[in-house]
Amino acid sequence: DARVTQTPRDKVTEMGQEVTMRCQPILGHNTVFWYRQTMMQGLELLAYFRNRAPLDDSGMPKDRFSAEMPDATLATLKIQPSEPRDSAVYFCASGWGLAGFTGELFFGEGSRLTVL
Amino acid sequence: QKEVEQNSGPLSVPEGAIASLNCTYSDRGSQSFFWYRQYSGKSPELIMFIYSNGDKEDGRFTAQLNKASQYVSLLIRDSQPSDSATYLCAVERAAGNKLTFGGGTRVLVKP
Repeated sequence: DARVTQTPRDKVTEMGQEVTMRCQPILGHNTVFWYRQTMMQGLELLAYFRNRAPLDDSGMPKDRFSAEMPDATLATLKIQPSEPRDSAVYFCASGWGLAGFTGELFFGEGSRLTVL
Repeated sequence: QKEVEQNSGPLSVPEGAIASLNCTYSDRGSQSFFWYRQYSGKSPELIMFIYSNGDKEDGRFTAQLNKASQYVSLLIRDSQPSDSATYLCAVERAAGNKLTFGGGTRVLVKP
């Protein structure tokens, strides 16, 4: 049963600490997205990769967030230093699009981050 | 103006009725349109996608697209309590562009 795997599922940390979230996309998918979801803002795109190359990270605060895809089986999202306003559920999603389109996205179960 | 707009709801419908959800988008060049369902505390899952003007049916769900008016809608026929969820509209402008989500419409189906 192919699925997107995210770790950690829950993370509570203190302001100023570094947080790293990991995502294993579905094998064979060529597109990986990182979204953040809050009640106020809904689903916000932070960054996405196609064939491991970053295509758009305009939604990400560059001074504290970084996203990488060191290989086809791992995507990471790092926050350093973390702030209370970063508290949210972070979703990773992967897909296989034809002709460059995204197509269907499969979401992981999310990483719930609480920054105190 | 947000790129993708939805009424947040809640949209309350009696069991067995038709639920009608609307979504408008600002970029006239948008080409791909998706409806995702998200149960409380869960991740979004795809219900339907539509690329061409007109209607597309899949079981109890019908997606409707009108590019001239820049809206896409979702009809849920014979609504069931299990359809109670938040429905997210997503729009992709062109190949290689980001997939942008609306804020979602919460649907409550009452027995």
